[in-house]
Amino acid sequence: DAKTTQPPSMDCAEGRAANLPCNHSTISGNEYVYWYRQIHSQGPQYIIHGLKNNETNEMASLIITEDRKSSTLILPHATLRDTAVYYCIVRARGGGSEKLVFGKGTKLTVNP
Amino acid sequence: GAVVSQHPSWVICKSGTSVKIECRSLDFQATTMFWYRQFPKQSLMLMATSNEGSKATYEQGVEKDKFLINHASLTLSTLTVTSAHPEDSSFYICSARDWGLGQGAEQYFGPGTRLTVT
Repeated sequence: DAKTTQPPSMDCAEGRAANLPCNHSTISGNEYVYWYRQIHSQGPQYIIHGLKNNETNEMASLIITEDRKSSTLILPHATLRDTAVYYCIVRARGGGSEKLVFGKGTKLTVNP
Repeated sequence: GAVVSQHPSWVICKSGTSVKIECRSLDFQATTMFWYRQFPKQSLMLMATSNEGSKATYEQGVEKDKFLINHASLTLSTLTVTSAHPEDSSFYICSARDWGLGQGAEQYFGPGTRLTVT
């Protein structure tokens, strides 16, 4: 079973920031938080990941709480093309064949 | 990011026949590849983990004799659905990890293959 909890759906206005929450209260010390998204009928796309520090890349920002029990993915200026299902996943990093286990994700709809 | 391709992108086959789906890492070597299945309006379900040169590890409930996985090279893994039935109709997605980037390597996904069994 997935180790994360996400709201099933969210709406956002185009041009505004989209803030997607994720609860991972049972996260272990060696587990990272990964975010992927899946646009309809496509393969998932990697967005960002982090351990305990906030992270930012060209796509998004990831804010992880100090106790690491929750995080927020921020799309600073959402566009219609950001409409997708967003998955928050926790996974250990290291050698071996660590698996990405997908939960139900959050369906984000960006409205014009 | 790294590119993973799948072929074919969609396939229609008759019940009882076998179908092979290819997954390739185009610009990196993938020691490990993963196969997922996704039914309409559901999340991705991991089917198996494939390591180059060794047998695949299947998730609980996935029939290894029905879903044959071969990972013969560092850039190619294949999934063969044997004796396909209509209930095997699904979206099959592969992913690969670029170990050349070290332990920080992320997992990249192919575009998926839509299988319809009639």
